[in-house]
Amino acid sequence: AQKITQTQPGMFVQEKEAVTLDCTYDTSDQSYGLFWYKQPSSGEMIFLIYQGSYDEQNATEGRYSLNFQKARKSANLVISASQLGDSAMYFCAMTQLQGAQKLVFGQGTRLTINP
Amino acid sequence: DADVTQTPRNRITKTGKRIMLECSQTKGHDRMYWYRQDPGLGLRLIYYSFDVKDINKGEISDGYSVSRQAQAKFSLSLESAIPNQTALYFCATSDRDRLYGYTFGSGTRLTVV
Repeated sequence: AQKITQTQPGMFVQEKEAVTLDCTYDTSDQSYGLFWYKQPSSGEMIFLIYQGSYDEQNATEGRYSLNFQKARKSANLVISASQLGDSAMYFCAMTQLQGAQKLVFGQGTRLTINP
Repeated sequence: DADVTQTPRNRITKTGKRIMLECSQTKGHDRMYWYRQDPGLGLRLIYYSFDVKDINKGEISDGYSVSRQAQAKFSLSLESAIPNQTALYFCATSDRDRLYGYTFGSGTRLTVV
């Protein structure tokens, strides 16, 4: 079974600072994908970034990067130069890339950016 | 129009009532999912379907049923709603060939009183 753990229920960061949101995962699969989603107060789920287990380079998407450490089974999200609009709930998720491909989510981290 | 449309967006219903949440998609994806979100628990999978004839239970299927009426439509039913089914419900789709391409609907906020 797959499991995602996000140990930070809440984070408070000053605007323009970088922030790292932690995510660890547990799986016996060799082939899997890792995701980060943002959920603003309006409720929709916004896809941010994806990392495949066989990708050697860390994924980047604009101000978002995924710090993938396979041996430690961690997939932390790094947001550079945080903005007020980054205040939201953030979810880490994973899926098998073979077999029953279901997206499994962590509990989420609520990020608040202070001006 | 949204790629994945959920109706209704908000619903208040009484304990014991039957209620259906509907999801339709224009992505052409073969895989559809229903998730439930509760504070502090993230999103949990209720049911998923890989095609019209393939329906599977997720981790919290008790009290729920689903129907895949067509490739583009996947409905979630609460046969007899209870207050602890109050939650935010999401429908999602994905494509077998592009596994990182999950698309979520806007969610249905359900309150059972």
